[in-house]
Amino acid sequence: GAGVSQSPRYKVAKRGQDVALRCDPISGHVSLFWYQQALGQGPEFLTYFQNEAQLDKSGLPSDRFFAERPEGSVSTLKIQRTQQEDSAVYLCASSLGGSPQYFGPGTRLLVL
Amino acid sequence: EDKVVQSPLSLVVHEGDTVTLNCSYEVTNFRSLLWYKQEKKAPTFLFMLTSSGIEKKSGRLSSILDKKELFSILNITATQTGDSAVYLCAGLIQGAQKLVFGQGTRLTINP
Repeated sequence: GAGVSQSPRYKVAKRGQDVALRCDPISGHVSLFWYQQALGQGPEFLTYFQNEAQLDKSGLPSDRFFAERPEGSVSTLKIQRTQQEDSAVYLCASSLGGSPQYFGPGTRLLVL
Repeated sequence: EDKVVQSPLSLVVHEGDTVTLNCSYEVTNFRSLLWYKQEKKAPTFLFMLTSSGIEKKSGRLSSILDKKELFSILNITATQTGDSAVYLCAGLIQGAQKLVFGQGTRLTINP
């Protein structure tokens, strides 16, 4: 596709539910990133893949957060047992490595 | 700890004015400074600055990096209502590839 796509665009979950957020990067981009953006704040790094390898997961806030990119293209961010503090916009970005990161529209997650 | 600070946090001007947005950074293993425009959801890429003192321009927007003083500015001339957005700057960390973002400057252009 022409840009990074993410789905769903909006997700409402009850506290304790598991959610899965999907990211389709720009075709050919080897690097993929997940960021979390709280209201009124800049995005904060969560994790980074180069192809299928997860090279940095230092930003994942707890072991309830898990990301994968099994075939080096599409990535899924999974949040288990969601909590209210997980409510945020989750942004995915991709790049050719060293080039600018291009962002998707994000998934707005609301945990009730 | 890596840190990026933007100022002002909020700015309201009239259409046609010129604005300067500021970004200072303390980033270990710094590689580049990036500017993004965020209107609804997706931050849209504006500039990537790696070398000091070289101005990058795109239409009415321009930006420059000072690696000695650790800051960057984004200038917008002859502002239009469509320039209203949050402007984010971010430091790119060498090797780790991750971006460290500032809080953003919310720019409002009134007609």
